[in-house]
Amino acid sequence: DTAVSQTPKYLVTQMGNDKSIKCEQNLGHDTMYWYKQDSKKFLKIMFSYNNKELIINETVPNRFSPKSPDKAHLNLHINSLELGDSAVYFCASRPFLAGEQETQYFGPGTRLLVL
Amino acid sequence: AQSVTQLDSQVPVFEEAPVELRCNYSSSVSVYLFWYVQYPNQGLQLLLKYLSGSTLVKGINGFEAEFNKSQTSFHLRKPSVHISDTAEYFCAAREAGAQKLVFGQGTRLTINP
Repeated sequence: DTAVSQTPKYLVTQMGNDKSIKCEQNLGHDTMYWYKQDSKKFLKIMFSYNNKELIINETVPNRFSPKSPDKAHLNLHINSLELGDSAVYFCASRPFLAGEQETQYFGPGTRLLVL
Repeated sequence: AQSVTQLDSQVPVFEEAPVELRCNYSSSVSVYLFWYVQYPNQGLQLLLKYLSGSTLVKGINGFEAEFNKSQTSFHLRKPSVHISDTAEYFCAAREAGAQKLVFGQGTRLTINP
């Protein structure tokens, strides 16, 4: 029944490694997002895809690459992990309709710790 | 540019006391406003939202918020809090026609018995 799910929930890894976080939504939404929540709880958008097309790309290092195989999935791949990448990463989804004002639904988060 | 400011980083209150969490926004166009709650080690859950119409909106768990356009505020209130309300609360705004949701810095609500 989970609307927006993320795997893994926890990820501990060494600097320099490459890792992926997966997100899936079963709400039939067209738009998906990745957010980063830092240690001070500040939430900032990273990327957004609509029907597999990138529509938002904030100032994020190019070590971060989102991939959307279909509109229900948005994965986040991170190359050459750095200590500063440690954070909680949230996936979210929303219907995409011009003028529509629907809510964003968030996943449970993936807690990434880079050692 | 759009921004959201939550004026208090932490708010401690006693159980059964009323609480108000403050939120101000800035935008040159119409905005839609949201309050989300994040319980410890969990994701974000929508409490309530203002899209249009009545400026007083009611949400889940007894929370309500009032949109004040002249003061560009969207403060969250609850008349009597419970221990279970202990969480981080985020105000967020999205400009009409935009895809991006901008969050405030969050307010940690701590309920003391």
